[in-house]
Amino acid sequence: GAVVSQHPSRVICKSGTSVKIECRSLDFQATTMFWYRQFPKQSLMLMATSNEGSKATYEQGVEKDKFLINHASLTLSTLTVTSAHPEDSSFYICSARDLTRTMNTEAFFGQGTRLTVV
Amino acid sequence: EDKVVQSPLSLVVHEGDTVTLNCSYEVTNFRSLLWYKQEKKAPTFLFMLTSSGIEKKSGRLSSILDKKELFSILNITATQTGDSAVYLCAYYSGGGADGLTFGKGTHLIIQP
Repeated sequence: GAVVSQHPSRVICKSGTSVKIECRSLDFQATTMFWYRQFPKQSLMLMATSNEGSKATYEQGVEKDKFLINHASLTLSTLTVTSAHPEDSSFYICSARDLTRTMNTEAFFGQGTRLTVV
Repeated sequence: EDKVVQSPLSLVVHEGDTVTLNCSYEVTNFRSLLWYKQEKKAPTFLFMLTSSGIEKKSGRLSSILDKKELFSILNITATQTGDSAVYLCAYYSGGGADGLTFGKGTHLIIQP
């Protein structure tokens, strides 16, 4: 199956700083990638849809100025958590689908990033 | 509002037992339903179901979709401790540009 790589897997940052998370599709081109957040014992919640070459689409309740998404190429999307606060501590996961195969294809997930804001 | 509900939320069984996990959904434009297994990190893909009544099988795991009654089940036979995980059900409601909507998951614990 397709491979999605996410980096870093774990990051601890100070309150008020910014953190960048990278998501790469390694063996396919992804015009669209997705960013999810998962709090402890909760399910994955879609935060935003990252579109190559255009602005991201954010889900209701997700602050676009706080969670900056850049999809600079067909294989890379980044999520920057700006001015991080302890309540932003969570597990962030990206995913992508290889739509060159078929519209009905499973989403492949990155390994996730555990963010802890202290 | 579109949603997906999984049951039970948690389940503890002994090795060798068979379990059935349930997923019901309400969605305006259904496209496909997916099952994932999540252990410590990111979910790993199990099945994608688009047609009613066709069972998908992979080893001891199998799944089926009922589009009329709007639910899916995931069966695991002869469970092993390595099956302990959170099993997530999710759906696509649109085209390739749509993200997944997940249920809360079933936390399955297999005791030796």
